[in-house]
Amino acid sequence: DGGITQSPKYLFRKEGQNVTLSCEQNLNHDAMYWYRQDPGQGLRLIYYSQIVNDFQKGDIAEGYSVSREKKESFPLTVTSAQKNPTAFYLCASSTRPFWADSNQPQHFGDGTRLSIL
Amino acid sequence: AQSVSQHNHHVILSEAASLELGCNYSYGGTVNLFWYVQYPGQHLQLLLKYFSGDPLVKGIKGFEAEFIKSKFSFNLRKPSVQWSDTAEYFCAVNARTGTASKLTFGTGTRLQVTL
Repeated sequence: DGGITQSPKYLFRKEGQNVTLSCEQNLNHDAMYWYRQDPGQGLRLIYYSQIVNDFQKGDIAEGYSVSREKKESFPLTVTSAQKNPTAFYLCASSTRPFWADSNQPQHFGDGTRLSIL
Repeated sequence: AQSVSQHNHHVILSEAASLELGCNYSYGGTVNLFWYVQYPGQHLQLLLKYFSGDPLVKGIKGFEAEFIKSKFSFNLRKPSVQWSDTAEYFCAVNARTGTASKLTFGTGTRLQVTL
């Protein structure tokens, strides 16, 4: 079955460490997205990528970095510069940027919960 | 700055009751509007979307939403809820300016349907 795989499900980080969250999709989607979900704040867009080797900052990109070397993979690195990294991180993908075509639904992964030790 | 408001944080209804969840946004330009649902233990899923045309949009599982441009609203409705509708519902707005877009989610409404 096609879908989005995020790993690990739970991740713990020490202060000052960088940590990378994995997101892989086998849906042959061009566009991929990373969101952060905090209690009482809904989902906020961190980064998105419309095509391989291209990515754009979302609303809260500071302290994060991404890469898109392969179509199926869009890893997110939470750097030590991110002051409040504890959150639930969701990865999503769509055939094309969902706002560009009304027929493109976004598919979401199961999420990774990151906590600071 | 663009914002999305979902005023109902937690709604409790009995089965067969009618549902209306509010969603208001602040942006004066072209918008695309979405409702997502997250059932317990499941992925976030698209419930329905509005891009253009008929402002009354029908989605899956009997849900519908009406885009009222003059009120900057996109309220979600269902005439008769079921226990299986218990979930968290998120409204999202994509503001389009030329080729740029920015997606903003509301804080979510937790719906609990009792038997």
